[in-house]
Amino acid sequence: KNEVEQSPQNLTAQEGEFITINCSYSVGISALHWLQQHPGGGIVSLFMLSSGKKKHGRLIATINIQEKHSSLHITASHPRDSAVYICAALPNFGNEKLTFGTGTRLTIIP
Amino acid sequence: DTAVSQTPKYLVTQMGNDKSIKCEQNLGHDTMYWYKQDSKKFLKIMFSYNNKELIINETVPNRFSPKSPDKAHLNLHINSLELGDSAVYFCASSQDNAGSSYEQYFGPGTRLTVT
Repeated sequence: KNEVEQSPQNLTAQEGEFITINCSYSVGISALHWLQQHPGGGIVSLFMLSSGKKKHGRLIATINIQEKHSSLHITASHPRDSAVYICAALPNFGNEKLTFGTGTRLTIIP
Repeated sequence: DTAVSQTPKYLVTQMGNDKSIKCEQNLGHDTMYWYKQDSKKFLKIMFSYNNKELIINETVPNRFSPKSPDKAHLNLHINSLELGDSAVYFCASSQDNAGSSYEQYFGPGTRLTVT
């Protein structure tokens, strides 16, 4: 079992819908990253957070350290949001290496 | 200007060959990484260097050897390529050696196909 689990694996929604992608992890962490991988393959860092909530445009990321859970929300979704979203956790022990979730493939239909 | 660049973007080669992938970052970052993304799109760290020193060396075959001539460059050399090495390899960099406490900037990836 992966230390970082994401759900759903695949998500298809209509343009304009509110999107939620979930990430759960089984170890204590010091930071959690959300990444976006475009259909062309490039990876972009969206957020890095260790507590609370961050917002950037239509994207919101939240984390609950006690529950070992993070969510990525997209408001007013658009076809250009179609991508794979990956969460990655940094355990708070051992060396500084990210453990990645398996990704959520999001498709927004016009 | 491209922040993290990798060459080549595509690499097709035969089993048994030796090949290198180059990575350069112009962000002034101290830490660089190599990741492997398999056919199921699962990312896994391979190596991390901070100021030219190896700080993370995951369990990868010793056919893979990273080289950091300076802190702006981290190259990956692969000897005796095998079919299972086919994957997309991403280079990344971050500001500090507590790399995961800072954003990581990814290169465009190198798609390696071993035939």
